[in-house]
Amino acid sequence: GAVVSQHPSRVICKSGTSVKIECRSLDFQATTMFWYRQFPKQSLMLMATSNEGSKATYEQGVEKDKFLINHASLTLSTLTVTSAHPEDSSFYICSAGKPSGGVETQYFGPGTRLLVL
Amino acid sequence: GQQVMQIPQYQHVQEGEDFTTYCNSSTTLSNIQWYKQRPGGHPVFLIQLVKSGEVKKQKRLTFQFGEAKKNSSLHITATQTTDVGTYFCAESFQGGSEKLVFGKGTKLTVNP
Repeated sequence: GAVVSQHPSRVICKSGTSVKIECRSLDFQATTMFWYRQFPKQSLMLMATSNEGSKATYEQGVEKDKFLINHASLTLSTLTVTSAHPEDSSFYICSAGKPSGGVETQYFGPGTRLLVL
Repeated sequence: GQQVMQIPQYQHVQEGEDFTTYCNSSTTLSNIQWYKQRPGGHPVFLIQLVKSGEVKKQKRLTFQFGEAKKNSSLHITATQTTDVGTYFCAESFQGGSEKLVFGKGTKLTVNP
């Protein structure tokens, strides 16, 4: 199988605080993980590509100093939303790629719902 | 940047009716992937199409990739209430990162 977990599943925080979200590939190793953000009734927007052992690659318009990504091992990537504000409230989803039959398939975590008050 | 356009945005059908969602691109796609996201859930991979004119089937779902590799479709025959969700197409960029760019999705609701 290919299972990706995320923790926490939901978080409510006060404006100005930082929130860390973990993404783990449970039964496979992933050199690359991806972080997406999804606002209500909208599509997934790629925020950044997390590379094990190197710096993350951020998409245009995503502040790297606000959304800190650390890919500490082949099974763990973390996203830290620093100094969160209400506009950061969203559904954050990670994914990890796993080769399967010559095709790399992305497996998504269950997502983290962040609410910033 | 790269973008795949997906239509319709919403589709409401009676159970038993067919459903189709379309993805179009102004540029040639290297491949197209389809995902399903249930309400409150996360995207689940359905299939990847790579070859020009490719057609793949999964039970009542039929996926097509256009001859010019600029469009793709997902067709569901005789919808069931379990088909409810949002269907996304996505292009995978194979330049080492394999990142996905998603279409806006088609939200399907099925009336029992």
